[in-house]
Amino acid sequence: QQPVQSPQAVILREGEDAVINCSSSKALYSVHWYRQKHGEAPVFLMILLKGGEQKGHEKISASFNEKKQQSSLYLTASQLSYSGTYFCGTGYSGGGADGLTFGKGTHLIIQP
Amino acid sequence: DVKVTQSSRYLVKRTGEKVFLECVQDMDHENMFWYRQDPGLGLRLIYFSYDVKMKEKGDIPEGYSVSREKKERFSLILESASTNQTSMYLCASTPLGDNYGYTFGSGTRLTVV
Repeated sequence: QQPVQSPQAVILREGEDAVINCSSSKALYSVHWYRQKHGEAPVFLMILLKGGEQKGHEKISASFNEKKQQSSLYLTASQLSYSGTYFCGTGYSGGGADGLTFGKGTHLIIQP
Repeated sequence: DVKVTQSSRYLVKRTGEKVFLECVQDMDHENMFWYRQDPGLGLRLIYFSYDVKMKEKGDIPEGYSVSREKKERFSLILESASTNQTSMYLCASTPLGDNYGYTFGSGTRLTVV
């Protein structure tokens, strides 16, 4: 079953912050975050594993709440280049071999 | 840089044709995946492989098969193409292990008429 992403879409002004959520109905082992620009392949942003809580750097970071089976991606002081569709991909076992289940995506539009 | 190359960017095929989509990666990755991407549905896993000649069904394998005869190449086969298989197909690869993200190819946009 696909993880649920929210919101489906968000429009921001440059410099504003955004939070994208990803929730699973199954116990998570890992959560990946990707960004896809129109007409391009998804690009890996970061991975969070069971047992870890927070990752990333100042501008783009993510958290992983095992108890709630959810992850959130934080985009701080957004830039025009952050526009795109963000996908979370969830893994339910270790080793990386099983294939991720992706959410339907969150469309992020950053306006000047 | 890891590169995942999909042989065709655009393909148009007729209903009933057998269609081959090819994917090659150049970084010796063990794992390879095929996804299809449709508007509003996200990426859905068709098949994956963690080793040569090994294959596993994903969430939507019906109407598809795969072949992995060499480590670097993973082929997706549409046995008898149908219009509901019109989609963007994305190939990805990753090494074995927990800490690696997927590297995606640029995709093949397949139209079945």
